[in-house]
Amino acid sequence: GAVVSQHPSRVICKSGTSVKIECRSLDFQATTMFWYRQFPKQSLMLMATSNEGSKATYEQGVEKDKFLINHASLTLSTLTVTSAHPEDSSFYICSATQGIVNTEAFFGQGTRLTVV
Amino acid sequence: GESVGLHLPTLSVQEGDNSIINCAYSNSASDYFIWYKQESGKGPQFIIDIRSNMDKRQGQRVTVLLNKTVKHLSLQIAATQPGDSAVYFCAENSRAGTALIFGKGTTLSVSS
Repeated sequence: GAVVSQHPSRVICKSGTSVKIECRSLDFQATTMFWYRQFPKQSLMLMATSNEGSKATYEQGVEKDKFLINHASLTLSTLTVTSAHPEDSSFYICSATQGIVNTEAFFGQGTRLTVV
Repeated sequence: GESVGLHLPTLSVQEGDNSIINCAYSNSASDYFIWYKQESGKGPQFIIDIRSNMDKRQGQRVTVLLNKTVKHLSLQIAATQPGDSAVYFCAENSRAGTALIFGKGTTLSVSS
């Protein structure tokens, strides 16, 4: 199957700093990528939908100025957590789909963000 | 709003037993369903999918059943193994290019 690579897998940062997470589709072009957040023992919650070359669409309650999403190419989307706070500590997961037919979404390995 | 939920948060079985994990969804427009397995600290791993024009699909040791009348989805794992221990999520989608919506998850524990 298609491979989505997410980097870094773990990151620890200080409060007030920014962290960038990368999501790459390695062997296919991803027109659309999605960013999820997962708190311990909870499900994946959609944060935003990212389309190549256009602004991301954020879910209700997700601050677009805090979670900056860039999807500059068909193989790369980035999520930047700006001015991170301890409550932003979570597991962030990206996924990508290949095209116009409803089909399997491919997930990255996830990024464990810890803000201290 | 649209949501997908699971009936049981935990399921404990003995090695070799068959496991059944259930999921209820609320969006009648959903036409594509996937089961994912997630191990601790990792991203979701695809298990099996099914489209709304089917009511059953089989894979290796796994079967997914879809009952559109009652909006119910189930995952059956045959001869469950310790390596099957993980959290299982059902997810649904109603339109290509949109995000999957995940249910709450069931933790499967397999004891030897």
